[in-house]
Amino acid sequence: GNSVTQMEGPVTLSEEAFLTINCTYTATGYPSLFWYVQYPGEGLQLLLKATKADDKGSNKGFEATYRKETTSFHLEKGSVQVSDSAVYFCALSDSNSGYALNFGKGTSLLVTP
Amino acid sequence: DTGVSQDPRHKITKRGQNVTFRCDPISEHNRLYWYRQTLGQGPEFLTYFQNEAQLEKSRLLSDRFSAERPKGSFSTLEIQRTEQGDSAMYLCASSQGGGSAGYEQYFGPGTRLTVT
Repeated sequence: GNSVTQMEGPVTLSEEAFLTINCTYTATGYPSLFWYVQYPGEGLQLLLKATKADDKGSNKGFEATYRKETTSFHLEKGSVQVSDSAVYFCALSDSNSGYALNFGKGTSLLVTP
Repeated sequence: DTGVSQDPRHKITKRGQNVTFRCDPISEHNRLYWYRQTLGQGPEFLTYFQNEAQLEKSRLLSDRFSAERPKGSFSTLEIQRTEQGDSAMYLCASSQGGGSAGYEQYFGPGTRLTVT
């Protein structure tokens, strides 16, 4: 079945550091890939998405490229801010189960001043 | 558009009691999903509706769990005879329908259930 594996946290970075959170997936079909973010005390919200191979999703300075050959969708940001501290979830969906999301375990990011 | 709302936000119940949670999706969304999230884990899919039809329920955790969406608007998730292992955050999400994985799911704030 489908699954998502993302790097364990917590990740602690200084402000303005470069961020990478690794995400790999296993899927039988051609899934769409997502990064969701959960800020402290808030609900899950979509950060970015990519619906086919080689697509790049981007939002708020974050980027991720759908790599079919390596089954990966790594999240990157060139210069993190304290306000980026949150839990980040990689997820996939495909036509199984009505495009329900299949999430990784989440990676907690803490950015210090 | 007021977003997805869930009620209650917190529920504490004793083992063996029944609980029911409500989700109000974004009004024009015809798909509604329920997920469960335990501490340190990502959300886990439970079931979904297309309008009033429940099209997937095999992922509900046991026959103690059931969900309805009687008029294709709000939905309820019921857990009968609660157990301590049911303690978790229950999330609802909605999206526009259609045959595409690209539609964004919008999540509610969740209902946190504690079974004592």
